Amino acid sequence: EPEVTQTPSHQVTQMGQEVILRCVPISNHLYFYWYRQILGQKVEFLVSFYNNEISEKSEIFDDQFSVERPDGSNFTLKIRSTKLEDSAMYFCASSDGFAGNTEAFFGQGTRLTVV
Amino acid sequence: AQSVAQPEDQVNVAEGNPLTVKCTYSVSGNPYLFWYVQYPNRGLQFLLKYITGDNLVKGSYGFEAEFNKSQTSFHLKKPSALVSDSALYFCAVRLLSGNTPLVFGKGTRLSVIA
Repeated sequence: EPEVTQTPSHQVTQMGQEVILRCVPISNHLYFYWYRQILGQKVEFLVSFYNNEISEKSEIFDDQFSVERPDGSNFTLKIRSTKLEDSAMYFCASSDGFAGNTEAFFGQGTRLTVV
Repeated sequence: AQSVAQPEDQVNVAEGNPLTVKCTYSVSGNPYLFWYVQYPNRGLQFLLKYITGDNLVKGSYGFEAEFNKSQTSFHLKKPSALVSDSALYFCAVRLLSGNTPLVFGKGTRLSVIA
C-alpha cells in the first residue's frame, strides 16, 4: 500500500537554527499539506500546496516557514530560525483530489525538538 | 469558521464491549467529516468519512460513524472493542468547496482493557 514517508523521525535543533523537514508524498498525488501537533494539543493546519505554489496557509505559517517541491518526489518544510515554541510533531499529508470529500493520507510525522 | 470538539480526552472500555468516541462539529455550510486513528509512532490513518447519503458510514477495522445533522455530531462507534483498537482517534471536518484544509479535534485516547 502506498504511503507518505517523512524524514527524519526525530530532529533536535538549537534555537535560531534552520531546519528542513522532508516528505515523500504518494506518487500520483497532486495536493500536499503540512500540519503540526504541539504536545497535548490539536493537530493544526499549516499550509497546502498545489501546482508548485501555496494554495492556502494558516496564520501559524509566517515568514519563518517556507515549503518547496524541489523535485518530482520530495516536499519540504523549512523553518528558517527555530523558536522554542516550534517544538511539535510535524505531519506531511497528500491527496489526489481537490474536492473536500477527498481524504488526505498522512506520514508518520517528524518530532521537532527545539532546545 | 470550522471547528471540531472531542469532549473526552480519554475513553476506557473493556474488550468485547461496544465503544463510542464522541465528536461534534461547527461549520457554516455542508461539512465533510472524517475520522483518523493514530497508533504509537505512526502517522494518522484514515478510518472513514461522511460525504452524503446514508447517515451511517462504515469504515476500516469494523468501525462506523453516524452523522447526525440536527445534533451536529459524528460519533465513532464499534460494536465490540479489541485491545488492538487502543490508539488516539481524531475527528476532522472539511468544507464542501475548494481545497480547504482539514480541521481536527484535539483527539481522544481510547484504551481497551483485556
